[in-house]
Amino acid sequence: EVVLTQSPATLSLSPGERATLSCRASQSVSDYLAWYQQKPGQAPRLLIYDASNRATGIPARFSGSGSGTDFTLTISSLEPEDFAVYYCQQRSNWALTFGGGTKVEIK
Amino acid sequence: QVQLQESGPGLVQPSQTLSLTCTVSGGSIKNFYWAWIRQPPGKGLEWIGYIYYSGPTKYNPSLKSRVTVSLDTSRNQVSLRLTSVTAADTAVYFCASLVRSNYFDPWGQGTLVTVSS
Repeated sequence: EVVLTQSPATLSLSPGERATLSCRASQSVSDYLAWYQQKPGQAPRLLIYDASNRATGIPARFSGSGSGTDFTLTISSLEPEDFAVYYCQQRSNWALTFGGGTKVEIK
Repeated sequence: QVQLQESGPGLVQPSQTLSLTCTVSGGSIKNFYWAWIRQPPGKGLEWIGYIYYSGPTKYNPSLKSRVTVSLDTSRNQVSLRLTSVTAADTAVYFCASLVRSNYFDPWGQGTLVTVSS
């Protein structure tokens, strides 16, 4: 099973600042990696798929990069609605796993 | 746009079977992969399993011995059965479509299932 490790666990930032979230895989997942945003009481929402492609309707301030084992989600300038928990997710062979999440909180 | 809605008992007794249904609207369940994911209160996400109409069903190895995911094409529903539940199975259970065979989108709103006597 591929283990995804996200860091940091919590990121304290102010609106307008840049957020950089990391996801590291225990073995290569090529570019089969996605990022999700989850707000309290809501289901997760797909932001990025195939490491760097924005899902439908996702603002351009969200971008993804990386391949193999190291991936990054960048939010170029935080909006008030971006404070949430972010998860990465991969598929290796037929199994899917999630990272533990990064909480982006208001500083 | 496909929409999903989970339903089922909110309380299940220990050692019993958890049964949930996901009703799909806006599209046929024959055209996509369908998955179940769960999230214990205050914790992260765990994939449970997925199914395709004409393909294999795959399960998380940690749950494989207790899980069944199935389709009811006449009702356009996806079902989840989890046997021999314990308090550790208390979670919000989500259904989702699995797009590009890899990613979950969209998701249902989720339903909280508590395992308690």
